[in-house]
Amino acid sequence: QVQLVESGGGVVQPGRSLRLSCAASGFNFSNYGIHWVRQAPGKGLEWVAVIWYDGSNTHYADSVKGRFTISRDNSKNTVYLQMISLRAEDTAVYYCARDDLMFGTTGVDYWGQGTLVTVSS
Amino acid sequence: QSVLTQPPSASGPPGQRVTISCSGSTSNIGPNYVYWYQQLPGTAPKLLIHRINQRPSGVPDRFSGSKSGTSASLAISGLRSEDEANYYCAAWDDSLSGLVFGGGTKLTVL
Repeated sequence: QVQLVESGGGVVQPGRSLRLSCAASGFNFSNYGIHWVRQAPGKGLEWVAVIWYDGSNTHYADSVKGRFTISRDNSKNTVYLQMISLRAEDTAVYYCARDDLMFGTTGVDYWGQGTLVTVSS
Repeated sequence: QSVLTQPPSASGPPGQRVTISCSGSTSNIGPNYVYWYQQLPGTAPKLLIHRINQRPSGVPDRFSGSKSGTSASLAISGLRSEDEANYYCAAWDDSLSGLVFGGGTKLTVL
């Protein structure tokens, strides 16, 4: 079955960096784009970034552009989210999620369980 | 301010039918698939409807989706207490080159 497992969350001071990982299994990883979506405490879902199935293209939300970088290693079935210059407003549960379409970018179908990032001094 | 607009709340008694709307634009819902997610407290979102009106296996046929122009709807018939959750719509936005979500609708089963 499809599984996505996030890791790397924790408490970090404002201005510092953190790298999240998303380990995938149960499907042909190199055929699917992967998204990061976050949810601040008590708030709704906010899309963060996507990386195409082959890593050839990436897109970011304006709120993280220039600070977050999404990448993938298809040999390890893993997607990463490198976050720098973290701000208090980046505090959220970060979910990775699989794109619904093979070789395309649209909505997401499967979600991980999420990892909590808290930015606080 | 979310790109897609949903009512913040909806409610109905057990057994009733309720509809949740999702309003977008010609750059997101208009040309693209619409997705609906259910999120129970403390859990990750779960896909309910994809590609406008397709149900993944395991999702009861009480849940249905539709789209007309730049708006979409999720209908839940035969409401049950376990349907109490937050519901989100989503679609790819061609202008923003990103996935956009509605603000979420909290469904209460009275």
